[in-house]
Amino acid sequence: AQKITQTQPGMFVQEKEAVTLDCTYDTSDPSYGLFWYKQPSSGEMIFLIYQGSYDQQNATEGRYSLNFQKARKSANLVISASQLGDSAMYFCAMRDWYTGNQFYFGTGTSLTVIP
Amino acid sequence: NAGVTQTPKFRVLKTGQSMTLLCAQDMNHEYMYWYRQDPGMGLRLIHYSVGEGTTAKGEVPDGYNVSRLKKQNFLLGLESAAPSQTSVYFCASNGARNEQFFGPGTRLTVL
Repeated sequence: AQKITQTQPGMFVQEKEAVTLDCTYDTSDPSYGLFWYKQPSSGEMIFLIYQGSYDQQNATEGRYSLNFQKARKSANLVISASQLGDSAMYFCAMRDWYTGNQFYFGTGTSLTVIP
Repeated sequence: NAGVTQTPKFRVLKTGQSMTLLCAQDMNHEYMYWYRQDPGMGLRLIHYSVGEGTTAKGEVPDGYNVSRLKKQNFLLGLESAAPSQTSVYFCASNGARNEQFFGPGTRLTVL
């Protein structure tokens, strides 16, 4: 069964607009961590934001925020004020301490920012 | 401070050949990971290590072996390469805030 599901293969957003990238996860462990990574066309993986399962507040890092809805098992990434440099693949991931610190990645969403 | 480095960056193998990929980190991280990335599949965990001298299987361990003899190094071995192992391989290590730092990747082609 898929641990991380990203249902949007590709997204487009106008420059300076906000965009939400969807992510749902599946775990029965109460302790887990959720991550978002950016992979530009150059290929490197860049950490964006982290949310712990026990964190009360939604995580924010600059223009990135994570909309964490625990009951729905969703961890959507919101990018505000999109920039051309935000065009990239975005991966949602989960660290599952119950299965021994393994990380599970989704299949990614390709974001294109339109000038 | 180099972060996470991987050697080599590119490699072409023939079916049945063996090779070792080297990952090194200079951040004193305990946790290290090897992933493979295939088109449309995201990243899949091959093996990981929670400290020097320890290794564990991930989601797709078959056909690979690993060793963590020194804390800063994590080696991934292919004993008998197969075309299905053509992929981009990423190494990563864990930081204090749980984020993973990734190496630049190794593009492996098995003919």
